[in-house]
Amino acid sequence: DVKVTQSSRYLVKRTGEKVFLECVQDMDHENMFWYRQDPGLGLRLIYFSYDVKMKEKGDIPEGYSVSREKKERFSLILESASTNQTSMYLCASSGTRGPNTEAFFGQGTRLTVV
Amino acid sequence: AQSVTQLGSHVSVSEGALVLLRCNYSSSVPPYLFWYVQYPNQGLQLLLKYTTGATLVKGINGFEAEFKKSETSFHLTKPSAHMSDAAEYFCAVSAGYSSASKIIFGSGTRLSIRP
Repeated sequence: DVKVTQSSRYLVKRTGEKVFLECVQDMDHENMFWYRQDPGLGLRLIYFSYDVKMKEKGDIPEGYSVSREKKERFSLILESASTNQTSMYLCASSGTRGPNTEAFFGQGTRLTVV
Repeated sequence: AQSVTQLGSHVSVSEGALVLLRCNYSSSVPPYLFWYVQYPNQGLQLLLKYTTGATLVKGINGFEAEFKKSETSFHLTKPSAHMSDAAEYFCAVSAGYSSASKIIFGSGTRLSIRP
């Protein structure tokens, strides 16, 4: 089975802190994604990566950056956390280039910024 | 650009009744469509997907969906609801011919099952 593992289930951080959310997948997938999930808004794409060191902005990249130094690991970085970044963050990965593939999700990280 | 609209943020049905969750999409190229389910405090799990070929797609747990190009719809159905079906359901679209194909999700529909 594909496994996508997010480093933390729950995080509490202070405003202005630099926050790292880590995601690791074990299926040698090319594509990795970071989504943010908020009630009534569904999943919104923050960033995605289709190869090592390659990234593209999603729909809501402001206030976030990403890093993909190794194929299996995709990190989301909040440079200076703010209270409006309190949310559930979901990492996903998918194989086979092109749209004919589904995404596999991690369990999510619920981040609270105080 | 692609987009997905799910009609109804909350649907409630009786146990044993038909489940119908609505999804309409917009895509400038042939789309690939997905339904995912999310149980409380868990990540998303794939229910079914449409890529090409047969327009009626069967998934896990007795769910199915029909791709209707003329209506730009991909509604999810299940003939008889079970209490364990209570969850949030997301429709998603992926399209494009580049090597990087992002997946866009709808806002979700919460399904409640009445005893």
